[in-house]
Amino acid sequence: DTGVSQDPRHKITKRGQNVTFRCDPISEHNRLYWYRQTLGQGPEFLTYFQNEAQLEKSRLLSDRFSAERPKGSFSTLEIQRTEQGDSAMYLCASSLVGGRQGGTEAFFGQGTRLTVV
Amino acid sequence: AQSVTQLGSHVSVSEGALVLLRCNYSSSVPPYLFWYVQYPNQGLQLLLKYTSAATLVKGINGFEAEFKKSETSFHLTKPSAHMSDAAEYFCAVSNTGTASKLTFGTGTRLQVTL
Repeated sequence: DTGVSQDPRHKITKRGQNVTFRCDPISEHNRLYWYRQTLGQGPEFLTYFQNEAQLEKSRLLSDRFSAERPKGSFSTLEIQRTEQGDSAMYLCASSLVGGRQGGTEAFFGQGTRLTVV
Repeated sequence: AQSVTQLGSHVSVSEGALVLLRCNYSSSVPPYLFWYVQYPNQGLQLLLKYTSAATLVKGINGFEAEFKKSETSFHLTKPSAHMSDAAEYFCAVSNTGTASKLTFGTGTRLQVTL
């Protein structure tokens, strides 16, 4: 397993356009998280899934944001009508809850850097 | 609700000197605490984690951290800095387990000089 994979690594888009990011977690991990990191700040939690169920969404996740994990494997994060304030690094992480060792910590992908111009 | 405070957004040390990065936490329940490192334009890599098994936690690359409940602290140390340690370091807390969502501090950028 090569770890958590995110695509694309970089995205430049014009204000008002829609963008979609993809995250492929570590294969046996049942939890998947999305975080947003702006310049000079720590990552901020956006939402997470356990298998295909979206269990929690942050207030940071406005109506323009939607995330899915349709088969409990990869996930997509879509931002509609992008704004300049959406410019950030979007990080995906996965972890295993339960299992023989009681679970693992979160493993992060390399992120997708979004620039809205 | 839980939170972490990282004192010092920038720390500069000489190569070979002690590294000390500070983290204080706030949690209403026994916390799980983590230190992650981030290199430019990269994701986060776990250095070490505290899960109540031992108060002194050893991690990768020679880093360690000590959980002090009385001081609500989880400071990160390394006896001798190396140039390759230059990066951004984040302290994080979870109150529901190692696999759960994290609340991060604002980070400390470590600079290592010759």
